[in-house]
Amino acid sequence: GGIITQTPKFLIGQEGQKLTLKCQQNFNHDTMYWYRQDSGKGLRLIYYSITENDLQKGDLSEGYDASREKKSSFSLTVTSAQKNEMAVFLCASSIQGNNQAPLFGEGTRLSVL
Amino acid sequence: AQSVTQPDARVTVSEGASLQLRCKYSSSVTPYLFWYVQYPRQGLQLLLKYYSGDPVVQGVNGFEAEFSKSNSSFHLRKASVHWSDSAVYFCAVSITGGYKVVFGSGTRLLVSP
Repeated sequence: GGIITQTPKFLIGQEGQKLTLKCQQNFNHDTMYWYRQDSGKGLRLIYYSITENDLQKGDLSEGYDASREKKSSFSLTVTSAQKNEMAVFLCASSIQGNNQAPLFGEGTRLSVL
Repeated sequence: AQSVTQPDARVTVSEGASLQLRCKYSSSVTPYLFWYVQYPRQGLQLLLKYYSGDPVVQGVNGFEAEFSKSNSSFHLRKASVHWSDSAVYFCAVSITGGYKVVFGSGTRLLVSP
C-alpha cells in the first residue's frame, strides 16, 4: 500500500513569516490537493493539481502559493503568516480521472505566534 | 457551484444504538458523493462513495449511506455503533467531470457507554 507523507507534522511560525509545507505520495497518483481545516469549519480547498505541471486555485487560494515539483510531490507556501493563526493543512491525492475519492495524509498543524 | 450541508455539528448516541448522520447537497447535476471519517490527530479516511446504481451503498466497518435525488441527501447510517466509532464524519461532493471535491463542515459523533 501507499502513503501520503506530510512534513513537518507541526509548524510554529512568526507573524509575517513565509512558511512552506511539503507533501509526498507514493501511490503514483496524478491529482493532488491542499486543504485547510479550521476547527468547526470543515475543509476548504486551497489549491489542487490535476497532473504534474498543472496548478488550479481552490476557494481559499489568497495568501498561499503552491508548487507541483514532480508527480509525487506538492508543496504549499503560506506567503505571510497571520498572527494567532491556527489550522491544520491536509494534503490529499487521487488516481487519474475525475470524481475519484482523495486519500489524505495526516496533516501539518500550524500555529503562528 | 456544488455545496454540502451537514446540519448536525454534534451527535451523541449510546453504544449499540443505531445511527444516522445527515448530509444535504446542492448541485445542478447528479454529483459524486463521499463519506469520510477523521479520528483525532489523523487525516480523513474514506468510508464509502456513490455515483449511480443502487441508492444504498455499503462501506467499511458496517457503515452504509442512502442517496436520495428527490431530497438531495446522502445520509450515513449504521445499525449498531461501537465506542470506537467516536470521530468526526465528513460528507463530500464532486460534480460529474470535475476534480474539485467540496466538504461539509463535519459532524462530531460521540458514542456513550
